[in-house]
Amino acid sequence: AQKVTQAQTEISVVEKEDVTLDCVYETRDTTYYLFWYKQPPSGELVFLIRRNSFDEQNEISGRYSWNFQKSTSSFNFTITASQVVDSAVYFCALSEALAGTALIFGKGTTLSVSS
Amino acid sequence: ETGVTQSPTHLIKTRGQQVTLRCSSQSGHNTVSWYQQALGQGPQFIFQYYREEENGRGNFPPRFSGLQFPNYSSELNVNALELDDSALYLCASSLAAGGGGYTFGSGTRLTVV
Repeated sequence: AQKVTQAQTEISVVEKEDVTLDCVYETRDTTYYLFWYKQPPSGELVFLIRRNSFDEQNEISGRYSWNFQKSTSSFNFTITASQVVDSAVYFCALSEALAGTALIFGKGTTLSVSS
Repeated sequence: ETGVTQSPTHLIKTRGQQVTLRCSSQSGHNTVSWYQQALGQGPQFIFQYYREEENGRGNFPPRFSGLQFPNYSSELNVNALELDDSALYLCASSLAAGGGGYTFGSGTRLTVV
């Protein structure tokens, strides 16, 4: 069975601090996809990144970076120089396909960035 | 290109009633999935529709049902509402063949009293 664990329930940081959100996944599939979504108070899930199981190359996009390690089944997300606007709930998710199948979500990590 | 729109945004129902939630998929997307997100939890997959038929279902009872229309829009129906059905209901559209990922709407907040 597929499972996503986000052990950090809540994280509080001060603006400009770096913060890493942890995600550990379980799957028996050899092909799978990992996602990170951001959920602001408005409720909409905002897509941040997806990775397929064959691409372990880490990625940096502006202040965001992702570290995918199959050996430890982890897909961690780092925000550099955090800002108040980064405050939201962040979800890691797993799917056996890029689209058209169910997304399995973790319980989310609530990030609070204070000024 | 329009995104996913859901209606209504908020809804209050009484236990035992029935409710219908609506979702318009993103232009070009032919698959719609519904998720239930209880307070403080991650979204849970309810079911998915493709070509107007249910194409995958999560661990939800039969009183959760749905429809997909020829224009790919969708409805989620919940009968005999229970207090535990209070949640944010999210709709996501995608292309069955992949390539574009999932696009989510802002959800319908259902409160059952």
